[in-house]
Amino acid sequence: QLQLQESGPGLVRPSETLSLTCTVSGGSVTTSDHHWGWIRQPPGKGLQWIGTVFFTGSTSYNPPLSSRVTISIDRSKNQFSLNLNSLSAADTAVYYCARKGRGGYYYTYWGQGLLVTVSS
Amino acid sequence: QSALTQPASVSGSPGQSITISCTGTSSDIGNFNLVSWYQQYPGEAPKLIVYEVTNRPSGVSNRFSGSKSGNTASLTISGLQAEDEADYHCSSYSTTYLQVFGPGTKVTVL
Repeated sequence: QLQLQESGPGLVRPSETLSLTCTVSGGSVTTSDHHWGWIRQPPGKGLQWIGTVFFTGSTSYNPPLSSRVTISIDRSKNQFSLNLNSLSAADTAVYYCARKGRGGYYYTYWGQGLLVTVSS
Repeated sequence: QSALTQPASVSGSPGQSITISCTGTSSDIGNFNLVSWYQQYPGEAPKLIVYEVTNRPSGVSNRFSGSKSGNTASLTISGLQAEDEADYHCSSYSTTYLQVFGPGTKVTVL
């Protein structure tokens, strides 16, 4: 059974960079059939797609966030990561990592989520 | 950023059917059969219940069904049960944002 687990800081200061890692178990990030993504949810609000990465390293980002986001993949550790810079309070959210369905625009497997608070 | 529109809440009695709407534009729902729906309980991750407008993943109850007309997609829950009380999020491919979600709809079982 595929499992994903987010890790990283729960508190980050404004203007700093957030770095999160998603560790995949029960499957490989090198599969050619799936993309791996990050999605966030501000407290009490809806979901927002951040971006995805393919095993080749190819990425797609949500345009409003693209200038601040980098998603990368580490095949040797079976992980993928999110870097989000120039943080503000608006970036406070639960951050989820997830795996896309084969060839689709939907997410079939999700991590449990990690609450990240941006505050001084 | 919620490019899709959903009602904030929908309620129904046990056994009834309810429908949640998700309205977009020709840049997303209207021209692509790439709508998905997620069920989310408080404090938990979303769970995929419908993909590509009408398809259900293995293990998802057939009480959940999806449809689309024009720029609006819909999720119908038939035979409403207490366990269906949750938030429901729609999503679609978008030519503008690549992927967009709605703000979510809270379903209450009376």
